[in-house]
Amino acid sequence: ILNVEQSPQSLHVQEGDSTNFTCSFPSSNFYALHWYRWETAKSPEALFVMTLNGDEKKKGRISATLNTKEGYSYLYIKGSQPEDSATYLCASINTNAGKSTFGDGTTLTVKP
Amino acid sequence: NAGVMQNPRHLVRRRGQEARLRCSPMKGHSHVYWYRQLPEEGLKFMVYLQKENIIDESGMPKERFSAEFPKEGPSILRIQQVVRGDSAAYFCASSPTTSGSAGELFFGEGSRLTVL
Repeated sequence: ILNVEQSPQSLHVQEGDSTNFTCSFPSSNFYALHWYRWETAKSPEALFVMTLNGDEKKKGRISATLNTKEGYSYLYIKGSQPEDSATYLCASINTNAGKSTFGDGTTLTVKP
Repeated sequence: NAGVMQNPRHLVRRRGQEARLRCSPMKGHSHVYWYRQLPEEGLKFMVYLQKENIIDESGMPKERFSAEFPKEGPSILRIQQVVRGDSAAYFCASSPTTSGSAGELFFGEGSRLTVL
């Protein structure tokens, strides 16, 4: 994998459903992976910073896992609420490259 | 504590004019990144700057685009002789950490450029 890829591109779920999406990134020269939440008409805000293989982070109903050997991360949302509706971005940083390379995001819509 | 400030939020230019977009990073942040979001696309890296230095400009178009981050004042992204294809949202982000660190980026709300 040369670029950062996210799937699915969009997702529609009912309130209360649990959901997950995937971020694939280059595993060579891995340094860090970030997840961001981007609400309409606002700016992206960081959810998680992940650096170690096997990392698992949690914030309320949202959690993320990281596999640096195979180059993927999962974001999970348990019991989705309408306020979870947003675009979720992941960004990969290679060793000392400095810049974050973003995927195109997964847009989540939670219906009441 | 003010966040990353970008101005103008909206800018309309005619083809051939110049566009200047400004970004003031968060207080204490010395690293600035510019990203572009074309319609229906994701965030694409343009340039990474520290004070008075361009660290990585691998995402900048070769012509008409330039960026600076002077010792005093905001970072400026300058687009000369704009064309319709430059219409996009331009996002600035800052971080307090040195190159290669795992720290997350703090984003401004973007500047939306429309070229008529």
